Amino acid sequence: GAVVSQHPSWVICKSGTSVKIECRSLDFQATTMFWYRQFPKQSLMLMATSNEGSKATYEQGVEKDKFLINHASLTLSTLTVTSAHPEDSSFYICSARISGDRFYSNQPQHFGDGTRLSIL
Amino acid sequence: LAKTTQPISMDSYEGQEVNITCSHNNIATNDYITWYQQFPSQGPRFIIQGYKTKVTNEVASLFIPADRKSSTLSLPRVSLSDTAVYYCLVGPSNAGGTSYGKLTFGQGTILTVHP
Repeated sequence: GAVVSQHPSWVICKSGTSVKIECRSLDFQATTMFWYRQFPKQSLMLMATSNEGSKATYEQGVEKDKFLINHASLTLSTLTVTSAHPEDSSFYICSARISGDRFYSNQPQHFGDGTRLSIL
Repeated sequence: LAKTTQPISMDSYEGQEVNITCSHNNIATNDYITWYQQFPSQGPRFIIQGYKTKVTNEVASLFIPADRKSSTLSLPRVSLSDTAVYYCLVGPSNAGGTSYGKLTFGQGTILTVHP
């Protein structure tokens, strides 16, 4: 149980292109999903928190107009990298927490297998 | 969010027990301790979670002392396939708001298992 699917797993595109990445919770509902970015040999860096039915909350230094997040349902969040440039090349990972009481805090995050984005 | 400190790397041999300790001195009352495993080019995989004392599942044990300022992940009889990065995380804090449940990843521990 608690499977998170991320699509695509790998994408190569030209500079200036916009790229959409999907994150789906397959067997549970997720009020909250998270988007991370990971550079080679570094740890995961949280980019934003995606909340179903409301605007995403971005971490300091992350451009919200550059990284558009939509969480339209309890099982799907999307990250769109707009007008991507080579410096946006990275490994993007999403995670989801099983929906529950907001104050019941021990639900772990379940992660997708990531999307390797390469901008030429 | 509570900060965690782990050894950067560890080496072990097949069949040995591996213990990875994580320090989290400013853990909050509502925080849980969660460990993840990550292989190259994959997302982190949940290993185990605990609040206090000892938790055991089919793959690992987690030991948490009474003051909860540290925790130890124990992997019994490791194999080559256990070579990975292991992350200790503390949270999610019951902070409410729009970023409820967010976690901050530290650098993790690179575990290398040798034949």
